[in-house]
Amino acid sequence: DAMVIQNPRYQVTQFGKPVTLSCSQTLNHNVMYWYQQKSSQAPKLLFHYYDKDFNNEADTPDNFQSRRPNTSFCFLDIRSPGLGDAAMYLCATSREVHQPQHFGDGTRLSIL
Amino acid sequence: QKEVEQDPGPLSVPEGAIVSLNCTYSNSAFQYFMWYRQYSRKGPELLMYTYSSGNKEDGRFTAQVDKSSKYISLFIRDSQPSDSATYLCAMIYSGNTPLVFGKGTRLSVIA
Repeated sequence: DAMVIQNPRYQVTQFGKPVTLSCSQTLNHNVMYWYQQKSSQAPKLLFHYYDKDFNNEADTPDNFQSRRPNTSFCFLDIRSPGLGDAAMYLCATSREVHQPQHFGDGTRLSIL
Repeated sequence: QKEVEQDPGPLSVPEGAIVSLNCTYSNSAFQYFMWYRQYSRKGPELLMYTYSSGNKEDGRFTAQVDKSSKYISLFIRDSQPSDSATYLCAMIYSGNTPLVFGKGTRLSVIA
């Protein structure tokens, strides 16, 4: 009964080759988030959607983009991955922005 | 000064011990406070959520918020090896602002 599902769990891509990570939710929450988490660090927010409204964090590189075609799905696109983009990418949802977030188990991205 | 300070540990305790995990914060505008547990290679799992000063208990876990001191704590009673994980505090201002995380404290409970 997983509520926030991320696919794939592990993704390997080549330097500079575009990659897309996906997230789906069964909670019908308004807000969906993407975080980047590197080893022994706290998750770092990249952007979030409130419904269809996109909110980008000021320090998120242009290389990272997102799409939310409907309430249930959200995608993270990395246009030209660099070695520094190797990390765990976490998707989360919440009913409203000030309410607790529920996380998926992440996609671990490796760059060759 | 970072907005949220959390000692990264590692913290190692024997099974059955009471564990105290703490965070301090600098901005009195924070109103909602959470504790997440994160096992290795998994996403953070919400443990506790509170929006007022005082204590909130759930089983072996107690969350404490002291807004006057800008200090939050998570207590784990009768700690078990299965509690070994990284614990992240997180907090939100009111309104349309996202979560601010502490760095996380890595806990090991030794059988």
